[in-house]
Amino acid sequence: DQQVKQNSPSLSVQEGRISILNCDYTNSMFDYFLWYKKYPAEGPTFLISISSIKDKNEDGRFTVFLNKSAKHLSLHIVPSQPGDSAVYFCAIRDAGGTSYGKLTFGQGTILTVHP
Amino acid sequence: DTGVSQDPRHKITKRGQNVTFRCDPISEHNRLYWYRQTLGQGPEFLTYFQNEAQLEKSRLLSDRFSAERPKGSFSTLEIQRTEQGDSAMYLCASSGGVYSNQPQHFGDGTRLSIL
Repeated sequence: DQQVKQNSPSLSVQEGRISILNCDYTNSMFDYFLWYKKYPAEGPTFLISISSIKDKNEDGRFTVFLNKSAKHLSLHIVPSQPGDSAVYFCAIRDAGGTSYGKLTFGQGTILTVHP
Repeated sequence: DTGVSQDPRHKITKRGQNVTFRCDPISEHNRLYWYRQTLGQGPEFLTYFQNEAQLEKSRLLSDRFSAERPKGSFSTLEIQRTEQGDSAMYLCASSGGVYSNQPQHFGDGTRLSIL
């Protein structure tokens, strides 16, 4: 009953081009959607988030899009840089009750940006 | 450094032994979460605390697992009678406020290896 899916285990992109990472979810009882980046031997680092009442949020090179009708979330990185190479996780945050704040993560996508 | 701190970073033990991990959250954060991550998967929720109260436990948290957060500050996660399947990265995260929109901040984790 996996609620969050990242169907692409890996993505390879040339430096300077756009990276698009995708995430699908099956439940609607969430209030925030988040992207985390993880380097080896480190914990996940928060990257960007979007409220369930919005459809776009932008922060520098990173833009997150939310399509609620399709239950789909995407992260765009433009332009991609070699330092962006990491594992990217999407996560959804429970909206209420005793589960408030709990994150459910996707399986992750390994992004490799080639110089 | 005022981030989330976890200790130890690595733990190797024999099957059947007990282990205890410690997490020190960001000082002003009242919510503390434990997650477990295995190879190729995203972090999976185990349990969380609001101040000293443990508000939810995942079904992943068998009766061999116990977590505490005395005085609402640091937290400990204990695994009794460890099994091979307990080998994983154990991550701690914290966030501030009851209805805060601030994201969870993660520590670098404790990697547990069961021989």
